[in-house]
Amino acid sequence: EAQVTQNPRYLITVTGKKLTVTCSQNMNHEYMSWYRQDPGLGLRQIYYSMNVEVTDKGDVPEGYKVSRKEKRNFPLILESPSPNQTSLYFCASSSDSRGPYNEQFFGPGTRLTVL
Amino acid sequence: GQNIDQPTEMTATEGAIVQINCTYQTSGFNGLFWYQQHAGEAPTFLSYNVLDGLEEKGRFSSFLSRSKGYSYLLLKELQMKDSASYLCAPLSGAGSYQLTFGKGTKLSVIP
Repeated sequence: EAQVTQNPRYLITVTGKKLTVTCSQNMNHEYMSWYRQDPGLGLRQIYYSMNVEVTDKGDVPEGYKVSRKEKRNFPLILESPSPNQTSLYFCASSSDSRGPYNEQFFGPGTRLTVL
Repeated sequence: GQNIDQPTEMTATEGAIVQINCTYQTSGFNGLFWYQQHAGEAPTFLSYNVLDGLEEKGRFSSFLSRSKGYSYLLLKELQMKDSASYLCAPLSGAGSYQLTFGKGTKLSVIP
Protein backbone atom coordinates (compact mmCIF):
# COMPACT_ATOMS: atom_id res chain seq x y z
CA GLU A 1 0.00 0.00 0.00
CA ALA A 2 1.33 3.41 -1.02
CA GLN A 3 1.76 5.48 2.11
CA VAL A 4 3.69 7.92 4.24
CA THR A 5 4.45 6.71 7.74
CA GLN A 6 5.50 8.72 10.76
CA ASN A 7 6.78 7.65 14.14
CA PRO A 8 5.99 8.19 16.87
CA ARG A 9 2.33 9.17 16.52
CA TYR A 10 2.24 10.71 19.98
CA LEU A 11 5.10 12.00 22.09
CA ILE A 12 5.31 13.84 25.40
CA THR A 13 8.76 15.07 26.29
CA VAL A 14 10.53 17.69 28.37
CA THR A 15 12.31 20.87 27.41
CA GLY A 16 15.80 20.31 26.06
CA LYS A 17 15.63 16.58 25.45
CA LYS A 18 16.65 15.89 21.85
CA LEU A 19 14.14 13.96 19.77
CA THR A 20 13.67 12.70 16.24
CA VAL A 21 10.43 12.15 14.39
CA THR A 22 10.85 9.72 11.53
CA CYS A 23 9.09 9.92 8.18
CA SER A 24 9.20 7.32 5.45
CA GLN A 25 7.43 6.98 2.09
CA ASN A 26 7.25 3.96 -0.19
CA MET A 27 6.19 5.75 -3.39
CA ASN A 28 9.67 6.66 -4.66
CA HIS A 29 8.75 10.33 -4.35
CA GLU A 30 11.46 12.93 -4.75
CA TYR A 31 9.85 15.82 -2.89
CA MET A 32 9.28 15.56 0.87
CA SER A 33 8.21 18.17 3.36
CA TRP A 34 7.50 18.77 7.04
CA TYR A 35 4.62 20.91 8.30
CA ARG A 36 3.37 21.91 11.69
CA GLN A 37 -0.26 22.68 12.36
CA ASP A 38 -1.41 24.92 15.17
CA PRO A 39 -4.93 26.16 15.99
CA GLY A 40 -5.65 29.44 14.24
CA LEU A 41 -2.42 29.32 12.25
CA GLY A 42 -3.03 26.53 9.80
CA LEU A 43 -0.39 24.35 8.19
CA ARG A 44 3.03 25.93 8.02
CA GLN A 45 6.02 24.47 6.25
CA ILE A 46 9.14 23.79 8.34
CA TYR A 47 11.60 22.25 5.86
CA TYR A 48 11.42 20.58 2.51
CA SER A 49 13.63 18.41 0.33
CA MET A 50 13.66 18.24 -3.47
CA ASN A 51 15.86 15.14 -3.55
CA VAL A 52 18.53 13.21 -1.66
CA GLU A 53 20.99 15.55 0.07
CA VAL A 54 18.94 18.61 -1.04
CA THR A 55 17.03 20.36 1.73
CA ASP A 56 15.81 23.91 2.26
CA LYS A 57 14.02 26.01 4.84
CA GLY A 58 10.30 26.59 4.78
CA ASP A 59 8.42 29.30 6.62
CA VAL A 60 9.18 28.27 10.22
CA PRO A 61 12.55 26.41 10.33
CA GLU A 62 13.89 27.79 13.64
CA GLY A 63 14.58 25.07 16.19
CA TYR A 64 14.40 22.22 13.68
CA LYS A 65 16.86 20.22 11.57
CA VAL A 66 16.31 17.70 8.82
CA SER A 67 18.37 15.32 6.75
CA ARG A 68 17.76 13.41 3.51
CA LYS A 69 20.32 10.66 3.20
CA GLU A 70 17.97 8.26 1.44
CA LYS A 71 15.12 8.97 -0.91
CA ARG A 72 12.47 7.30 1.24
CA ASN A 73 13.35 8.86 4.63
CA PHE A 74 13.15 12.44 5.86
CA PRO A 75 13.54 12.67 9.65
CA LEU A 76 12.75 15.81 11.62
CA ILE A 77 15.14 16.56 14.47
CA LEU A 78 14.50 18.81 17.44
CA GLU A 79 17.89 19.32 19.08
CA SER A 80 16.55 21.16 22.13
CA PRO A 81 12.76 21.15 22.14
CA SER A 82 10.89 24.01 23.77
CA PRO A 83 7.20 24.33 24.77
CA ASN A 84 6.46 26.53 21.72
CA GLN A 85 7.21 23.49 19.55
CA THR A 86 4.20 21.71 20.99
CA SER A 87 2.19 21.05 17.85
CA LEU A 88 0.78 18.54 15.38
CA TYR A 89 3.42 17.63 12.80
CA PHE A 90 2.81 16.24 9.34
CA CYS A 91 5.25 14.79 6.86
CA ALA A 92 4.25 14.82 3.20
CA SER A 93 5.65 13.66 -0.13
CA SER A 94 5.02 14.42 -3.78
CA SER A 95 6.17 12.83 -7.01
CA ASP A 96 7.31 16.12 -8.60
CA SER A 97 10.90 17.06 -7.79
CA ARG A 98 10.20 20.70 -8.65
CA GLY A 99 8.25 20.96 -5.48
CA PRO A 100 4.66 20.47 -4.37
CA TYR A 101 3.45 20.77 -7.96
CA ASN A 102 1.52 17.56 -7.66
CA GLU A 103 -0.78 16.17 -5.06
CA GLN A 104 0.97 15.74 -1.73
CA PHE A 105 0.45 12.60 0.31
CA PHE A 106 0.46 13.24 4.02
CA GLY A 107 1.49 11.00 6.87
CA PRO A 108 -0.92 10.41 9.77
CA GLY A 109 0.65 13.10 11.95
CA THR A 110 2.70 13.24 15.14
CA ARG A 111 1.24 15.01 18.12
CA LEU A 112 4.13 16.42 20.14
CA THR A 113 3.86 17.94 23.59
CA VAL A 114 6.91 19.62 25.13
CA LEU A 115 6.62 20.27 28.87
CA GLY B 1 4.37 36.07 1.51
CA GLN B 2 0.94 34.87 0.54
CA ASN B 3 -2.16 36.38 2.10
CA ILE B 4 -4.96 33.84 1.86
CA ASP B 5 -8.49 34.61 2.93
CA GLN B 6 -11.17 31.98 3.47
CA PRO B 7 -14.07 31.90 5.92
CA THR B 8 -13.29 30.36 9.29
CA GLU B 9 -16.48 28.38 9.69
CA MET B 10 -19.57 27.46 7.70
CA THR B 11 -22.66 25.40 8.45
CA ALA B 12 -24.87 23.72 5.87
CA THR B 13 -27.69 21.18 5.81
CA GLU B 14 -27.39 17.60 4.64
CA GLY B 15 -28.32 17.34 0.96
CA ALA B 16 -27.70 21.01 0.27
CA ILE B 17 -25.00 22.78 -1.76
CA VAL B 18 -22.24 24.86 -0.17
CA GLN B 19 -19.60 27.11 -1.70
CA ILE B 20 -16.35 27.82 0.12
CA ASN B 21 -14.51 30.88 -1.19
CA CYS B 22 -10.81 31.62 -1.17
CA THR B 23 -8.92 34.74 -2.21
CA TYR B 24 -5.15 34.95 -2.56
CA GLN B 25 -2.40 37.17 -3.89
CA THR B 26 -1.80 36.70 -7.63
CA SER B 27 1.94 37.50 -7.68
CA GLY B 28 3.90 34.51 -9.01
CA PHE B 29 0.79 32.35 -9.04
CA ASN B 30 1.04 28.88 -10.60
CA GLY B 31 -2.03 27.03 -9.46
CA LEU B 32 -4.27 26.32 -6.51
CA PHE B 33 -4.93 23.21 -4.45
CA TRP B 34 -7.86 22.29 -2.25
CA TYR B 35 -7.37 19.76 0.53
CA GLN B 36 -9.87 18.19 2.90
CA GLN B 37 -8.95 17.52 6.52
CA HIS B 38 -11.14 15.67 8.98
CA ALA B 39 -10.57 16.49 12.63
CA GLY B 40 -7.41 14.85 13.95
CA GLU B 41 -6.49 13.39 10.57
CA ALA B 42 -4.11 14.19 7.74
CA PRO B 43 -5.10 16.45 4.84
CA THR B 44 -6.15 14.67 1.67
CA PHE B 45 -6.05 16.04 -1.86
CA LEU B 46 -9.27 17.21 -3.48
CA SER B 47 -8.35 19.27 -6.53
CA TYR B 48 -5.72 21.28 -8.35
CA ASN B 49 -6.65 24.15 -10.69
CA VAL B 50 -4.18 25.78 -13.05
CA LEU B 51 -6.45 27.30 -15.68
CA ASP B 52 -9.48 29.54 -15.29
CA GLY B 53 -12.80 27.82 -15.05
CA LEU B 54 -14.68 25.10 -13.29
CA GLU B 55 -13.42 21.55 -12.81
CA GLU B 56 -15.90 18.96 -11.67
CA LYS B 57 -15.07 15.77 -9.84
CA GLY B 58 -18.14 13.94 -8.64
CA ARG B 59 -19.92 15.92 -5.92
CA PHE B 60 -17.01 18.32 -5.63
CA SER B 61 -16.14 21.11 -8.07
CA SER B 62 -13.43 23.74 -7.92
CA PHE B 63 -13.36 27.08 -9.72
CA LEU B 64 -10.45 29.39 -10.43
CA SER B 65 -10.15 32.97 -11.66
CA ARG B 66 -6.45 33.77 -12.00
CA SER B 67 -6.93 37.45 -12.79
CA LYS B 68 -9.12 38.00 -9.73
CA GLY B 69 -7.08 35.88 -7.34
CA TYR B 70 -10.21 33.93 -6.48
CA SER B 71 -11.19 30.31 -6.14
CA TYR B 72 -14.09 28.41 -4.70
CA LEU B 73 -14.87 24.84 -3.78
CA LEU B 74 -18.43 23.71 -4.44
CA LEU B 75 -19.82 20.73 -2.57
CA LYS B 76 -23.12 19.28 -3.77
CA GLU B 77 -25.51 16.82 -2.14
CA LEU B 78 -23.83 17.34 1.19
CA GLN B 79 -23.34 14.31 3.39
CA MET B 80 -22.56 14.16 7.10
CA LYS B 81 -19.09 12.81 6.26
CA ASP B 82 -18.31 16.09 4.48
CA SER B 83 -18.00 17.74 7.89
CA ALA B 84 -14.32 18.68 7.82
CA SER B 85 -11.93 21.57 7.29
CA TYR B 86 -11.22 22.63 3.72
CA LEU B 87 -7.81 24.10 3.04
CA CYS B 88 -7.10 26.45 0.16
CA ALA B 89 -3.44 26.38 -0.93
CA PRO B 90 -2.06 28.56 -3.74
CA LEU B 91 1.21 27.51 -5.36
CA SER B 92 3.55 30.32 -6.29
CA GLY B 93 7.11 30.86 -7.45
CA ALA B 94 9.34 30.01 -10.38
CA GLY B 95 12.01 27.33 -10.17
CA SER B 96 11.52 26.94 -6.45
CA TYR B 97 7.83 26.59 -5.73
CA GLN B 98 6.17 27.63 -2.52
CA LEU B 99 2.90 26.12 -1.38
CA THR B 100 1.11 28.14 1.29
CA PHE B 101 -1.94 26.81 3.08
CA GLY B 102 -4.82 28.95 4.20
CA LYS B 103 -6.07 28.54 7.76
CA GLY B 104 -8.95 26.43 6.52
CA THR B 105 -12.73 26.60 6.56
CA LYS B 106 -14.42 24.32 9.07
CA LEU B 107 -17.62 23.01 7.52
CA SER B 108 -20.30 21.52 9.73
CA VAL B 109 -23.05 19.53 8.01
CA ILE B 110 -26.23 19.27 10.06
CA PRO B 111 -29.20 16.94 9.55
